[in-house]
Amino acid sequence: QQQVKQSPQSLIVQKGGISIINCAYENTAFDYFPWYQQFPGKGPALLIAIRPDVSEKKEGRFTISFNKSAKQFSLHIMDSQPGDSATYFCAALLRDSGNTGKLIFGQGTTLQVKP
Amino acid sequence: DAGVIQSPRHEVTEMGQEVTLRCKPISGHDYLFWYRQTMMRGLELLIYFNNNVPIDDSGMPEDRFSAKMPNASFSTLKIQPSEPRDSAVYFCASSRLAGYNEQFFGPGTRLTVL
Repeated sequence: QQQVKQSPQSLIVQKGGISIINCAYENTAFDYFPWYQQFPGKGPALLIAIRPDVSEKKEGRFTISFNKSAKQFSLHIMDSQPGDSATYFCAALLRDSGNTGKLIFGQGTTLQVKP
Repeated sequence: DAGVIQSPRHEVTEMGQEVTLRCKPISGHDYLFWYRQTMMRGLELLIYFNNNVPIDDSGMPEDRFSAKMPNASFSTLKIQPSEPRDSAVYFCASSRLAGYNEQFFGPGTRLTVL
């Protein structure tokens, strides 16, 4: 029940196209849903995040869509660029007694944007 | 700020040897996390600390793994004895206490056990 399922495993998109990555979860105790971006040889870095009381969050070309009833959320990358080529991880936060907790990560999606 | 610092960046060792990975979190961060990344299992949380105290070590694979945080600016992850299946990239991350906190990841240590 603590899993976050991510799809697809890999994605190839033409420059200028839209990249869509989907995640699903079961545990309703999750209350924060970040997306992390990882370039080869680097650690993951926070890209964008959303709380479950919001259905959509947009930052530049990146948008998270959140469907609480379906327990699904997705990342949309508009006007995809070769520089967006990276591995993307969705995650969900399982809070502890404090103000943070542990992130449960999806399996990752390797995105390749072709010029 | 230099960000999260990990050492060594690469480690090659033989099966049965002890391996110690090191991490210096960002100053002022109250939480420290150790992750392991492999192709098969993705990014797994091994253990995390709050104010130097281990909070959840349920992800530690077995007794061969141990982690310590003797002070706010240093943590170690030790594997003894190491096995080939421990080969992976190990990440350390840190975050602040309050709010919906971003975790800042270090560059990772690539461990190869022969």
